[in-house]
Amino acid sequence: GDSVTQMEGPVTLSEEAFLTINCTYTATGYPSLFWYVQYPGEGLQLLLKATKADDKGSNKGFEATYRKETTSFHLEKGSVQVSDSAVYFCALSDLTGTASKLTFGTGTRLQVTL
Amino acid sequence: DTEVTQTPKHLVMGMTNKKSLKCEQHMGHRAMYWYKQKAKKPPELMFVYSYEKLSINESVPSRFSPECPNSSLLNLHLHALQPEDSALYLCASSRLAGVAGDTQYFGPGTRLTVL
Repeated sequence: GDSVTQMEGPVTLSEEAFLTINCTYTATGYPSLFWYVQYPGEGLQLLLKATKADDKGSNKGFEATYRKETTSFHLEKGSVQVSDSAVYFCALSDLTGTASKLTFGTGTRLQVTL
Repeated sequence: DTEVTQTPKHLVMGMTNKKSLKCEQHMGHRAMYWYKQKAKKPPELMFVYSYEKLSINESVPSRFSPECPNSSLLNLHLHALQPEDSALYLCASSRLAGVAGDTQYFGPGTRLTVL
């Protein structure tokens, strides 16, 4: 079945540091890929997505490129802020019958310090 | 507007109680979802409704009973829950259910504690 593997956290960075969170996937079809962010005590917010190979999703300074050859969708940001501290989930969406299902990675906690 | 609302925000219930969680969206989305999220874990899919019909039940125990009375509203009825059912319950919606790239928009969740 489909699966998503994320790097283990927590990731601790100083403000203005470069961020990479690795994400690789296994899927039988042609999934769409997502990054969601969850701030403490809140639900999930869509950060960015890509629906086909070589697409780049971007939002709020975060970027990720859908790499079919390496089955990866790594999240990057050039300069993190304290306000970026949250849990980041990589996910893929594939069709199951008449509905689409999201398969999540385990999540990576990011802590940014001054 | 991409808002999904959930009520209540917090719920504490005993194992013999009956309670309901409510989810609403006014984006015209035709697919709605219930997820369960335990601490430090990713969300786990419970149910999917497509055009007000149940299309996926991920082998959820019958003490959880979903209901979709109309295209904007999704309920989760709870009865005879166990302490291990304590979790954050998230609702989501998407424009369509049969499109893999369609974005799911999540509500803030209901934090449920079963005593």
